[in-house]
Amino acid sequence: DGGITQSPKYLFRKEGQNVTLSCEQNLNHDAMYWYRQDPGQGLRLIYYSQIVNDFQKGDIAEGYSVSREKKESFPLTVTSAQKNPTAFYLCASSKLQGNEQFFGPGTRLTVL
Amino acid sequence: AQSVTQPDIHITVSEGASLELRCNYSYGATPYLFWYVQSPGQGLQLLLKYFSGDTLVQGIKGFEAEFKRSQSSFNLRKPSVHWSDAAEYFCSFFPLNQGGKLIFGQGTELSVKP
Repeated sequence: DGGITQSPKYLFRKEGQNVTLSCEQNLNHDAMYWYRQDPGQGLRLIYYSQIVNDFQKGDIAEGYSVSREKKESFPLTVTSAQKNPTAFYLCASSKLQGNEQFFGPGTRLTVL
Repeated sequence: AQSVTQPDIHITVSEGASLELRCNYSYGATPYLFWYVQSPGQGLQLLLKYFSGDTLVQGIKGFEAEFKRSQSSFNLRKPSVHWSDAAEYFCSFFPLNQGGKLIFGQGTELSVKP
């Protein structure tokens, strides 16, 4: 079955540590996105990528980094510079810019 | 500013009753519009979308939405709610020429009474 997988589902991190969230898709989509979701808020865009080896900052990129070495993969690193990293992180992909986005199941990150 | 407003944070309806979730957007043109649903701890699932054409769009699970340009609205409706519809609903739009990002509303949490 085609889809988007995110791992792990739950992640715990100590303050000061970097952590990487995985996102993989087998939909052959060109574009991939990372969103952050906080309680009572909508989703906010962290980074997005439309082609391999290229990505752009979204609205809240500070404290995060990404790479896009393969079409199928778009990992997100939450660095120690992110002041409030505890949140639910969602990865999405789409065929092209403007098409509907398909979402993964999410990773819940908790900083201890 | 580009934004989506979902005025109702939480709505409770009885099973079998009709439902309307409100959504208003702020944008200088007609955007591509979407409604997504999210169950607790899960990702988002697309319910329906509007790109152009007929302003009444049908989606999955018996949902429909009507685009009204004059009101900048894209309200979601369902004639008869089922207990399994309890979830959070997000309205969003895609502003053109901005890299494909979606702008989301704050979400409306739907509870269904038996």
